[in-house]
Amino acid sequence: QSVLTQPPSVSAAPGQKVTISCSGSSSNIGNNYVSWYQQLPGTAPKLLIYDNNKRPSGIPDRFSGSKSGTSATLGITGLQTGDEADYYCGTWDSSLSAMVFGGGTKLTVL
Amino acid sequence: QLQLQESGPGLVKPSETLSLTCTVSGGSISSSSYYWGWIRQPPGKGLEWIGSIYYSGSTYYNPSLKSRVTISVDTSKNQFSLKLSSVTAADTAVYYCASMLRDYYYDSSGYPLHSHYFDYWGQGTLVTVSS
Repeated sequence: QSVLTQPPSVSAAPGQKVTISCSGSSSNIGNNYVSWYQQLPGTAPKLLIYDNNKRPSGIPDRFSGSKSGTSATLGITGLQTGDEADYYCGTWDSSLSAMVFGGGTKLTVL
Repeated sequence: QLQLQESGPGLVKPSETLSLTCTVSGGSISSSSYYWGWIRQPPGKGLEWIGSIYYSGSTYYNPSLKSRVTISVDTSKNQFSLKLSSVTAADTAVYYCASMLRDYYYDSSGYPLHSHYFDYWGQGTLVTVSS
């Protein structure tokens, strides 16, 4: 069982918006920065968001991140079929002294 | 842009030691900006951080694996390596190497807030533990 909790799956139609939640505690999300990763089928994870809400160069502004208390959220607008992937949140856990990830959320674009 | 490539045996026998190497190109492993990490993903499951190393050799490991893990760096070859001892079938996974950015910021109370994230990843290599 993962330290960070994500919904197993979410779905939405093309062009719509979807949000993916990541729930933790004060030892991880509550007091550290969150990153998000996109894993397309059969490929390595790719960094989408770091430091809660910053996008690396080349990541479109359709992807956004936010954090409130011990939860973080990834938002994707203008959904495309190419966005179908698994999405993972990650952060440092100060109690475990370890980098931890959520269990992943499978996004289906209907 | 950094590129990372994992290499090593795809099949390891139970109780033996898994050994993988990550070769970094497009930048120096001795960069003061980066740590270097290993992450694994069992088939059909999520990501698990194994450990990370700085070019100086400073390491930190996932406590759940610490007793079996050794990560080392060879700056002359621009490589870093993973050894995982006493493997079992539960260690079967795709193993990724990645560059890691790590920093600290302080809130108004002086409490350190950690920023850790992986920005470049290798393609991954499947290691199966089986006799």
